[in-house]
Amino acid sequence: AQSVTQPDIHITVSEGASLELRCNYSYGATPYLFWYVQSPGQGLQLLLKYFSGDTLVQGIKGFEAEFKRSQSSFNLRKPSVHWSDAAEYFCAVGGGRDDKIIFGKGTRLHILP
Amino acid sequence: DAGITQSPRHKVTETGTPVTLRCHQTENHRYMYWYRQDPGHGLRLIHYSYGVKDTDKGEVSDGYSVSRSKTEDFLLTLESATSSQTSVYFCAISEAQGAGEKLFFGSGTQLSVL
Repeated sequence: AQSVTQPDIHITVSEGASLELRCNYSYGATPYLFWYVQSPGQGLQLLLKYFSGDTLVQGIKGFEAEFKRSQSSFNLRKPSVHWSDAAEYFCAVGGGRDDKIIFGKGTRLHILP
Repeated sequence: DAGITQSPRHKVTETGTPVTLRCHQTENHRYMYWYRQDPGHGLRLIHYSYGVKDTDKGEVSDGYSVSRSKTEDFLLTLESATSSQTSVYFCAISEAQGAGEKLFFGSGTQLSVL
């Protein structure tokens, strides 16, 4: 069965520092992989998506993610965070046409001034 | 932003009371979904719809029913609310079926069952 693990419930970084949020997935074939962001009181917004091709995917708001098949990982990165990046981040995995998207439990990002 | 409106935004109700949450979209997307979000659980799919009058269960469907009589409206009903259904409920839509499709989310409904 497909699953997603986000090992870190909370992450705190200083403004201007680099960021990496971890995501590990389990899926029998090549998965669709997503990162969504949720600002307080809002719904989720798609940051980026991967299915095939270049394993480094660029998204909105300066985020990128790298797919590593050997590690079953899809970590989200940003070279320099801004206070407005404080939010909850969800990794998600999906498979074939009839599969649903399964979300991880989320990582809440805190930014220190 | 995708045109998705959830109503009400907040609701407090008592155990055993029926509750209906509404999701309205202006995008004419075929697929609509109801998720619940709980601390430590992320988002879990309750029910989804792939067209008018066509619905199916998600992973946590017990205690919930849905209806879709028009493309733009997807209703989630708790026939007899329980405290375990206290949660934030999100509606989402997508243009097509398939796990590769981008989901657009509403702003959520905070439901408290006392």
